[in-house]
Amino acid sequence: GIQVEQSPPDLILQEGANSTLRCNFSDSVNNLQWFHQNPWGQLINLFYIPSGTKQNGRLSATTVATERYSLLYISSSQTTDSGVYFCAATDSNYQLIWGAGTKLIIKP
Amino acid sequence: EADIYQTPRYLVIGTGKKITLECSQTMGHDKMYWYQQDPGMELHLIHYSYGVNSTEKGDLSSESTVSRIRTEHFPLTLESARPSHTSQYLCASSEYSYNEQFFGPGTRLTVL
Repeated sequence: GIQVEQSPPDLILQEGANSTLRCNFSDSVNNLQWFHQNPWGQLINLFYIPSGTKQNGRLSATTVATERYSLLYISSSQTTDSGVYFCAATDSNYQLIWGAGTKLIIKP
Repeated sequence: EADIYQTPRYLVIGTGKKITLECSQTMGHDKMYWYQQDPGMELHLIHYSYGVNSTEKGDLSSESTVSRIRTEHFPLTLESARPSHTSQYLCASSEYSYNEQFFGPGTRLTVL
């Protein structure tokens, strides 16, 4: 089955900084999602992005399916952005395959 | 507002107890899922359903069971809880298999 790898595993930034999170996948995927898991464990949908670029406020994402990667950009970070960011790709059996996550800490 | 609900949010029980974790969605989605997640770690699929009367086991072996009698309801049952079942359980749904999945708030289970 496909493998999903995220980098970096941990990221510590000052408030106001920009960051780029990466998600690589080992084979063709049907779609790709980015999630933010807050400190209370809630998974929040950020982007459903099988290809192309989408933007939502300070966040944007780009998936290049032919090169098997996706990037999540966070600009002007706020402390509320802290948490774990997961990407997950749908494989040929339509199951979500999860990356191990990037733990982001934004310091005030 | 369409949404996905889980109850209870937190549960602390003793070993050997039978428990049922509830999950309901108001989006009319056919496909529903249960994931198990240890804090900060990746999610593991334990059960899923294509629709009413359909249930399948996921990639992670689990001693739990599920049922799907109504489209909107997908409860998970542990017949005899053990400390190894301590984890967070997340329920999700999607309109089709390849569509975006939406998650409930989760149930944090602690078995003493």
